[in-house]
Amino acid sequence: AQKITQTQPGMFVQEKEAVTLDCTYDTSDPSYGLFWYKQPSSGEMIFLIYQGSYDQQNATEGRYSLNFQKARKSANLVISASQLGDSAMYFCAMRVLNSGYSTLTFGKGTMLLVSP
Amino acid sequence: ETGVTQSPTHLIKTRGQQVTLRCSSQSGHNTVSWYQQALGQGPQFIFQYYREEENGRGNFPPRFSGLQFPNYSSELNVNALELDDSALYLCASSPAGGPSLSGNEQFFGPGTRLTVL
Repeated sequence: AQKITQTQPGMFVQEKEAVTLDCTYDTSDPSYGLFWYKQPSSGEMIFLIYQGSYDQQNATEGRYSLNFQKARKSANLVISASQLGDSAMYFCAMRVLNSGYSTLTFGKGTMLLVSP
Repeated sequence: ETGVTQSPTHLIKTRGQQVTLRCSSQSGHNTVSWYQQALGQGPQFIFQYYREEENGRGNFPPRFSGLQFPNYSSELNVNALELDDSALYLCASSPAGGPSLSGNEQFFGPGTRLTVL
């Protein structure tokens, strides 16, 4: 069974500093996709970044980068130059391929607070 | 381009009642998935509809049911509400042509927050 583990319930960072949010995953499928979502207090899940299991390079999207270490089964999110608006819940998720459909399985999330 | 919308935003029901939540998919999307997010947890997959047929289901009892309409809008129905059904319900639509260039596959709505008293 596929599983996502996020061990940091909360993280604090000062504005303009970088922060790393941890994510480990478990799957026996050789082909999988890993995602990070941001969820502000409004509730909407906002897509941040995607990494495919066969991608040779770590994914980057603006201030977001994904530190993908396949052998360790980790997919940590790095946010550079944190901003006050980055304060939110962050979820790591994995695409699960079932017979005929795919879904996302999520971790429990990490609450990030950015202070001035 | 209009994103995924959900209604209502908030809802309060009592135990034993029935509820219907609605989702309007993004244009060009033919698959919709529903997730339940309990307080302090990550979203959990309920079921998925593709071209008006349920094509996948998570570990939820039959009192959770759904519909998808020809315009790809969708409903989630929950019968015999229980206190543990209190949660944020998220729908996500997926494009017919596959993931976007950025790799995003599921586009989420803002959610409906259901409280069962």
